[in-house]
Amino acid sequence: KNEVEQSPQNLTAQEGEFITINCSYSVGISALHWLQQHPGGGIVSLFMLSSGKKKHGRLIATINIQEKHSSLHITASHPRDSAVYICAVRWPGNQFYFGTGTSLTVIP
Amino acid sequence: DTAVSQTPKYLVTQMGNDKSIKCEQNLGHDTMYWYKQDSKKFLKIMFSYNNKELIINETVPNRFSPKSPDKAHLNLHINSLELGDSAVYFCASRQEETQYFGPGTRLLVL
Repeated sequence: KNEVEQSPQNLTAQEGEFITINCSYSVGISALHWLQQHPGGGIVSLFMLSSGKKKHGRLIATINIQEKHSSLHITASHPRDSAVYICAVRWPGNQFYFGTGTSLTVIP
Repeated sequence: DTAVSQTPKYLVTQMGNDKSIKCEQNLGHDTMYWYKQDSKKFLKIMFSYNNKELIINETVPNRFSPKSPDKAHLNLHINSLELGDSAVYFCASRQEETQYFGPGTRLLVL
């Protein structure tokens, strides 16, 4: 069993839709990251969370430490949001564990 | 002015060969990582270095040997390449909680 579970694995949305991607983890963590991997393969760090909520443009990330759960929301989705979104958790120390990713396709 | 760079971008080689992938970061970060992304796009940590010292060495065959000549470089040497080593290898550096990834090296072992 993977320490980090993401859902859904694949997601197709119409442009303009509100999107939610979920991440659950099984152990206590020091931080949770949301990453975006573009179709070309490059990986970009979107958010780092240890509590609460963060917002950057149309992206919102939330975390519930007690429930060991985080969500990434995209408002007013756009085709350029099409990418793989990866949840990663950092354990105390330097360990990172990754979810299997959610492949998002936004159709015009 | 690339933050984290990797060379080569693509590497195609025969089974049994020895190859190296180089990584350099110009961000002044103390911590660097190597990750492997398999054909199913699953990322897994291989090694972590902090200020040239090995911190994490996951269950990786000892054919893989990282080398950090200085804080800005973390190279990955692979001996006796096997078909299963085919993957994308990402280098990253970290400052506090933000990671910066290199563009990846696509390794294909024939």
